[in-house]
Amino acid sequence: NAGVTQTPKFQVLKTGQSMTLQCAQDMNHNSMYWYRQDPGMGLRLIYYSASEGTTDKGEVPNGYNVSRLNKREFSLRLESAAPSQTSVYFCASRPGPNQPQHFGDGTRLSIL
Amino acid sequence: AQSVTQLDSHVSVSEGTPVLLRCNYSSSYSPSLFWYVQHPNKGLQLLLKYTSAATLVKGINGFEAEFKKSETSFHLTKPSAHMSDAAEYFCVVSDLGAGNMLTFGGGTRLMVKP
Repeated sequence: NAGVTQTPKFQVLKTGQSMTLQCAQDMNHNSMYWYRQDPGMGLRLIYYSASEGTTDKGEVPNGYNVSRLNKREFSLRLESAAPSQTSVYFCASRPGPNQPQHFGDGTRLSIL
Repeated sequence: AQSVTQLDSHVSVSEGTPVLLRCNYSSSYSPSLFWYVQHPNKGLQLLLKYTSAATLVKGINGFEAEFKKSETSFHLTKPSAHMSDAAEYFCVVSDLGAGNMLTFGGGTRLMVKP
C-alpha cells in the first residue's frame, strides 16, 4: 500500500511564484491535513479537511489555500510564495477523531 | 488549551544503554497522547498511542511510554538503544477541547553513539 503520497518531493521557487503541492491517500480516510515543519517548532497545522467537501483553517493558514478535490486528494496552494514559506510540508490523513494520523514523506520547498 | 513540552531538544546515549525522552503535556480534557518518530528525509511514523486504556503503553521497536496524570507526563523509554533508533521524536497531544486536533512538541533529536 502506498499510504499517503506527496508530490513533488523537492521544489525551488522564486518569490512571487505560485505552486500547488499535491497529496493523495489510498486508505479511504475521512480527514486530511497539511502541516509545515520548521526547525525546533515541531509541526504546525496549516489547513485541514475533516471530511470530503469541508476545509478549515489551522494554526498558520495565512498565505495558503487548499482544495479537497475528492476523498483521496487534498492539495495546498501558495498563490504568491514568500521566503518565510520555506519549509518542509507534510500531508497526513486519519480515519476519524482520536485516531493516529498517517504521514507522507514530505515536500521540501525553498523560496528564494 | 492543550500544549506539549519536550524537555530536551537533544539526547545522546551509547548503543546498548537505556533511552529516556521526556514529555509533559497540558490538557483540559482527557487527552490522547502519541509518540512519533521521524528518520531523516522521511515522514512521521507512529511509535505508540495512549487513549485512556492502560497507562503503560507498548509500541514498536521496543519502545514504551507511561501516562502519569498526576505529573502530566508521558515519557518515552527503551531499555537498550540501537544505532537505528537515531532519529527525531515527537510527543503529540490531542483532546476534545481542540477538536481532536494534534498539537506537537518541538521534538527531541536522539543520537546513538557506537
